[in-house]
Amino acid sequence: EAGVVQSPRYKIIEKKQPVAFWCNPISGHNTLYWYRQNLGQGPELLIRYENEEAVDDSQLPKDRFSAERLKGVDSTLKIQPAELGDSAVYLCASSSAANTGELFFGEGSRLTVL
Amino acid sequence: GENVEQHPSTLSVQEGDSAVIKCTYSDSASNYFPWYKQELGKGSQLIIDIRSNVGEKKDQRIAVTLNKTAKHFSLHITETQPEDSAVYFCAAARRQLTFGSGTQLTVLP
Repeated sequence: EAGVVQSPRYKIIEKKQPVAFWCNPISGHNTLYWYRQNLGQGPELLIRYENEEAVDDSQLPKDRFSAERLKGVDSTLKIQPAELGDSAVYLCASSSAANTGELFFGEGSRLTVL
Repeated sequence: GENVEQHPSTLSVQEGDSAVIKCTYSDSASNYFPWYKQELGKGSQLIIDIRSNVGEKKDQRIAVTLNKTAKHFSLHITETQPEDSAVYFCAAARRQLTFGSGTQLTVLP
């Protein structure tokens, strides 16, 4: 069975440019998470979806970040405009339980903002 | 909110020795404590977890202990092997996972 798939794996952009990341979770997983991981730190939750509904987006910087999961399957995370401090690895994870179930992580999308 | 501190940030051990990584948490209501292994080029994987109604759990060479009173939990890896080299993250959750800052474990052959 395929795991969580993310793309692109790497992205280098100049500040003020837009960028988008895509995630396809494990089939049948109704919960999808976007995390941001800074160098030398643990993942920090940006947003959590239950099916197509964003149930926890309190840590998402809504002035420049947006996310969607229109059909309750794959999801996109967008940053517009990007800032230098957005350089990080953006991780997508999915799970089949809403609360404290095992998370299955993708390999991540490494963003470098110049 | 929850705060999880993890130590050490780096750990080097000789192959065959044991490795111990420790975490403390702040929210006494947290009841789920997983450990994830992050390897280069791979998605992080759950290696073991423990719930607050259990004090210790073991899976082959890996064990986790939980002290609810002191609000700390530890990962123990025995008979370490080179393939154990990775970054390990602890986490604590009541409803949402909060991760520690990670430990880079290096097993020297």
